[in-house]
Amino acid sequence: QIQLQESGPGLVKPSQTLSLTCTVSGDSINSGSFYWSWVRQVPGKGLEWIGNIYNSGSTFYNPSLARRLTVSLDAPRNQFSLRLSSVTAADTAVYYCARIRFLVFDFWGQGSLVTVSS
Amino acid sequence: QSALTQPASVSGSPGQSITISCTGSSTDVGGYDYVSWYQQHPGTAPKLIIYDVTKRPSGVSGRFSGSKSGDTASLTISGLQAEDEADYFCCSYTVRATWVFGGGTKLTVL
Repeated sequence: QIQLQESGPGLVKPSQTLSLTCTVSGDSINSGSFYWSWVRQVPGKGLEWIGNIYNSGSTFYNPSLARRLTVSLDAPRNQFSLRLSSVTAADTAVYYCARIRFLVFDFWGQGSLVTVSS
Repeated sequence: QSALTQPASVSGSPGQSITISCTGSSTDVGGYDYVSWYQQHPGTAPKLIIYDVTKRPSGVSGRFSGSKSGDTASLTISGLQAEDEADYFCCSYTVRATWVFGGGTKLTVL
């Protein structure tokens, strides 16, 4: 069974860059036709799709975040990563990594709370 | 892109059925049969319970069912059980090759 696990700092200062990594286990990140995705959830609120990367390296970003966003893939380590620059308090959220198969989010990580505060 | 519209809360007694609606537009819910539903218990990750409007992943109870009419998708839970108390989110693929989620619905089992 595939598992995803987020890792990274839980606290980021305003204007700095938020960086998270998702480690995939139980399957190769290069196997199959999957998108690898990031989704966030402001505490007590709904979910927001952030962006995806395909195993070819092609990326697809939420237009509202695209200017500040980079999603990358590290196939040898079976990981993919998120970098969100110029963060503000509005970026405080639980960040989930997930796999997309046939346009559906079928497996999710447990989530990583990132707080933006000085 | 605007979030899909869901009721903030619904409630029902054990054994009853409830339905949660998810309203979008012709550019998302109404345009594709790629609507999915997720169940989220407090402090845990979302779990896929319905995909492609009506399909259930292996292991998901048959008490969960999905449907769609026009720009509105619906999730029905029959034979409510205490363990069904959770937040439920809908999601749709869009014409812009993006994904949009609903704001979430809190289900209370009375």
